[in-house]
Amino acid sequence: KAGVTQTPRYLIKTRGQQVTLSCSPISGHRSVSWYQQTPGQGLQFLFEYFSETQRNKGNFPGRFSGRQFSNSRSEMNVSTLELGDSALYLCASRFAGSSYNEQFFGPGTRLTVL
Amino acid sequence: DQQVKQNSPSLSVQEGRISILNCDYTNSMFDYFLWYKKYPAEGPTFLISISSIKDKNEDGRFTVFLNKSAKHLSLHIVPSQPGDSAVYFCAARSGSSGSRLTFGEGTQLTVNP
Repeated sequence: KAGVTQTPRYLIKTRGQQVTLSCSPISGHRSVSWYQQTPGQGLQFLFEYFSETQRNKGNFPGRFSGRQFSNSRSEMNVSTLELGDSALYLCASRFAGSSYNEQFFGPGTRLTVL
Repeated sequence: DQQVKQNSPSLSVQEGRISILNCDYTNSMFDYFLWYKKYPAEGPTFLISISSIKDKNEDGRFTVFLNKSAKHLSLHIVPSQPGDSAVYFCAARSGSSGSRLTFGEGTQLTVNP
């Protein structure tokens, strides 16, 4: 079974631009979560989508948004980029059955804001 | 408010010996704990997990211990191998948070041949 895939793997943008990142979960997984990893803040939860609905949201400004499609693929958008948005953005998927089960992460998208 | 803490940023052990990575948490609502391993430029890889109703879970060379009264968990790797060298993250989830995981800062494990 293929793992979580993320595109693109690397991205360079300038301040003020906007960016869209894509995530394809493991087949059959309906929950997709996004995390930001930075050296200073570690791994921080951004949001979770399940059945095309945002189910949970972390403490990030409204410039960070996402969506999920009917095939469970998810996109994350950051508008008006700031230098501090430079980070590794990780997507994770899980089956989301009746009991809790583990999340599996993709390789991440490395975003650099100049 | 750092709800999950890994107080040791790094750990160095000899090949074949035991590696013990520690994690403390403050939120008593956490009911599920996980350990992930991460290599540079890759996403975290799931290692092992434990529910709050258990105090030990074992999978091959990896064992996780949970002490709820102390709000402490540890990951034991026996025997340690050079390929285990990576950053290890402890993560926790509460029943009301869906998929949301709260991560510790990570511990860099180096296993020397």
